Amino acid sequence: GAGVSQSPRYKVAKRGQDVALRCDPISGHVSLFWYQQALGQGPEFLTYFQNEAQLDKSGLPSDRFFAERPEGSVSTLKIQRTQQEDSAVYLCASSLAQGWSTDTQYFGPGTRLTVL
Amino acid sequence: GESVGLHLPTLSVQEGDNSIINCAYSNSASDYFIWYKQESGKGPQFIIDIRSNMDKRQGQRVTVLLNKTVKHLSLQIAATQPGDSAVYFCAENPTQGGSEKLVFGKGTKLTVNP
Repeated sequence: GAGVSQSPRYKVAKRGQDVALRCDPISGHVSLFWYQQALGQGPEFLTYFQNEAQLDKSGLPSDRFFAERPEGSVSTLKIQRTQQEDSAVYLCASSLAQGWSTDTQYFGPGTRLTVL
Repeated sequence: GESVGLHLPTLSVQEGDNSIINCAYSNSASDYFIWYKQESGKGPQFIIDIRSNMDKRQGQRVTVLLNKTVKHLSLQIAATQPGDSAVYFCAENPTQGGSEKLVFGKGTKLTVNP
């Protein structure tokens, strides 16, 4: 079946512009996660949703970062007034989230954001 | 051949040999651990996971070992192939019963020489 998809795959923004990154999770997956991956580093958690509820946003680096999942399916990560340090790959993952235990997270291909 | 060493950034093996990739985790309360493979330009690909009530789990050509006493996780790949060349990340869920977030290690770059 189809995996997690993300769009756009590449985004170039001028410093100060706003950007919106989209994630389509695997159909039926309850939980959706956003991670940021700097060059040569492991992914770092930003935020996650269970259905439309944002349960943890402790990883968002500043109030310029905002995520939403209004209907419990597609999610958008928005970055306002982009800065050069925002340049990274933004990864989305989803999981079935069965019961109370942590479930396997499946990742999309990522969006590479470059801020000039 | 094999190579061990915590936080080893690179590992080079010959095709057909077994590989062992090691990882130290930080939180003794972590109850879920997972290994991912990441090829250049792609997202992390799930390999295998293990919960804290187990110390070993096997998949196809891969085995994960968990030593909770020393907070150590390892991934063993049997008969390593050139297609196994990638960066491998371990990750833990450090919030038992709480947030589902994963905390990733620094990664190990595996190179398989034909």
